[in-house]
Amino acid sequence: ETGVTQTPRHLVMGMTNKKSLKCEQHLGHNAMYWYKQSAKKPLELMFVYNFKEQTENNSVPSRFSPECPNSSHLFLHLHTLQPEDSALYLCASTREGLAVTDEQFFGPGTRLTVL
Amino acid sequence: GENVEQHPSTLSVQEGDSAVIKCTYSDSASNYFPWYKQELGKGPQLIIDIRSNVGEKKDQRIAVTLNKTAKHFSLHITETQPEDSAVYFCAASISKLIFGTGTRLQVFP
Repeated sequence: ETGVTQTPRHLVMGMTNKKSLKCEQHLGHNAMYWYKQSAKKPLELMFVYNFKEQTENNSVPSRFSPECPNSSHLFLHLHTLQPEDSALYLCASTREGLAVTDEQFFGPGTRLTVL
Repeated sequence: GENVEQHPSTLSVQEGDSAVIKCTYSDSASNYFPWYKQELGKGPQLIIDIRSNVGEKKDQRIAVTLNKTAKHFSLHITETQPEDSAVYFCAASISKLIFGTGTRLQVFP
């Protein structure tokens, strides 16, 4: 295991639902990331948090709302999603967010289906 | 911004054969090139990386080569085994990682 856990592993939701994805890292890292992985497309960086401060929002729609209460936990709050938001959402962590050469440790992802 | 293209999208090889996956990048300022392996049901995991001041790096059966002039880098897996079957992603970075679209490698016994 990589030391990064994600829950739930699978989620099906309607377009009017509100749900949250959770990520926890047990590595003592200080930076956490949300990525979207869609079939046949590159991993898309969504958000970066470094020492609990958001340092990157990669033009993500406001229906995705991240929260980082501490360096070990990261949430992605979802509301009024669209079917095209169906994808695998991956969480990752690094020692700190300024060194792009730091190895990224990924969780197993949450497979999201929006009906 | 940076753009990374990866080929092929799928690759099937016989156990024991070699596999090569190629990537090109657009921004000549990119200076770090990692490769990640994603097994079924898991997140990507770093397997090898190379920096722009090095032309080649090897770790047991895997190697990566970098041609800065052509803006190409490649992953080479020798003596492939069934457990090498996975999706492989290349990436290039200046200030953040830009990933390729992935190569699904299948190694048949």
